[in-house]
Amino acid sequence: AQSVAQPEDQVNVAEGNPLTVKCTYSVSGNPYLFWYVQYPNRGLQFLLKYITGDNLVKGSYGFEAEFNKSQTSFHLKKPSALVSDSALYFCAVRDFTGGGNKLTFGTGTQLKVEL
Amino acid sequence: EAGVVQSPRYKIIEKKQPVAFWCNPISGHNTLYWYRQNLGQGPELLIRYENEEAVDDSQLPKDRFSAERLKGVDSTLKIQPAELGDSAVYLCASSLNSLHGYTFGSGTRLTVV
Repeated sequence: AQSVAQPEDQVNVAEGNPLTVKCTYSVSGNPYLFWYVQYPNRGLQFLLKYITGDNLVKGSYGFEAEFNKSQTSFHLKKPSALVSDSALYFCAVRDFTGGGNKLTFGTGTQLKVEL
Repeated sequence: EAGVVQSPRYKIIEKKQPVAFWCNPISGHNTLYWYRQNLGQGPELLIRYENEEAVDDSQLPKDRFSAERLKGVDSTLKIQPAELGDSAVYLCASSLNSLHGYTFGSGTRLTVV
């Protein structure tokens, strides 16, 4: 089965500094990778996805992610963090195992941006 | 365009009681998903519908959980009887088809006491 891992439960960063939220993947075949954000008491909001093409994917709210095949990573990045970016971030992979079609999520990383 | 609508937002019930959640997907979205998100974890798929057909229910605990999407539009997820371990957020999502991105609803937070 396909899987993703988010090694950090929490990331703290000062406002204005660059941020990175890490994700590594384990897939057979080509990976279809996603990032979602979840604000308190809200559903998940799509940020960006990688299907094929350029390794640097740009998404919503100034976020981007870099697909690295040799390191099997898909880290989420933003050049300058905002306090409003504080939320729970999930990496996910599209899983077609056994004829299915679902998103398999990581355990999430809580991002805290402080003044 | 209205997003994915779920109700209720919150539900508190005693164990062994039944409970139902409702989801109205985005108009025209043929694929509907129910996910469960336990505290501190990522969401996990319970069931996927293509129109009115449940095409993947392998993760649905069928002894107590049931779901339906009779007309291929809105859907209900039921638990009967509920157990303490069912406390979680139940998320509904829809997509144009199974290859497109998902749009999630705000979820229903269930607390079983």
